[in-house]
Amino acid sequence: GESVGLHLPTLSVQEGDNSIINCAYSNSASDYFIWYKQESGKGPQFIIDIRSNMDKRQGQRVTVLLNKTVKHLSLQIAATQPGDSAVYFCAEKKGSSNTGKLIFGQGTTLQVKP
Amino acid sequence: KAGVTQTPRYLIKTRGQQVTLSCSPISGHRSVSWYQQTPGQGLQFLFEYFSETQRNKGNFPGRFSGRQFSNSRSEMNVSTLELGDSALYLCASSPDPDRYEAFFGQGTRLTVV
Repeated sequence: GESVGLHLPTLSVQEGDNSIINCAYSNSASDYFIWYKQESGKGPQFIIDIRSNMDKRQGQRVTVLLNKTVKHLSLQIAATQPGDSAVYFCAEKKGSSNTGKLIFGQGTTLQVKP
Repeated sequence: KAGVTQTPRYLIKTRGQQVTLSCSPISGHRSVSWYQQTPGQGLQFLFEYFSETQRNKGNFPGRFSGRQFSNSRSEMNVSTLELGDSALYLCASSPDPDRYEAFFGQGTRLTVV
């Protein structure tokens, strides 16, 4: 079946440290992988994405790594700040099937300790 | 540019009633998708609309339906509400279905009592 899963439900880090949030997926037919951040009371906010033909992509303070061999996706946040506290979701999209459907993982709650 | 707007933000309904939720996508976006978010099941895809046509549907009962208008605004309807329908309903828009960036609204919090 299709599933996108995260390894840990909660991750607690010290302010200033780097955070790594992991995600495992089972369907290798995906075209894109996306990370979303959801703060309390808000909808998911796009952070960064990566195409299946790439293995790394960097944004501002964030890096996404894709390992297709082991079907693993990770989000690295550098110098984690209190404002990074939120639930993070990985999602996959099958662009080849010409659909906008996103399949989401269960989410990891990131807690940043001051 | 205004973001995705969902109305109402909060809603309380009684079992057996029906409800209609509204979503106005970002100006120029023609694709709208709906998701249900619950603590137990997470974010689950409901359906997707593009140019007033339903392109994809998730694994939900027929009580869940939707439509899209010519101005790309979308509505979803849930009939014969059940307690388990209590959830945050999220709408996402993108310029077209093949674009990976989906922008979400703040959602409608539906509580069924």
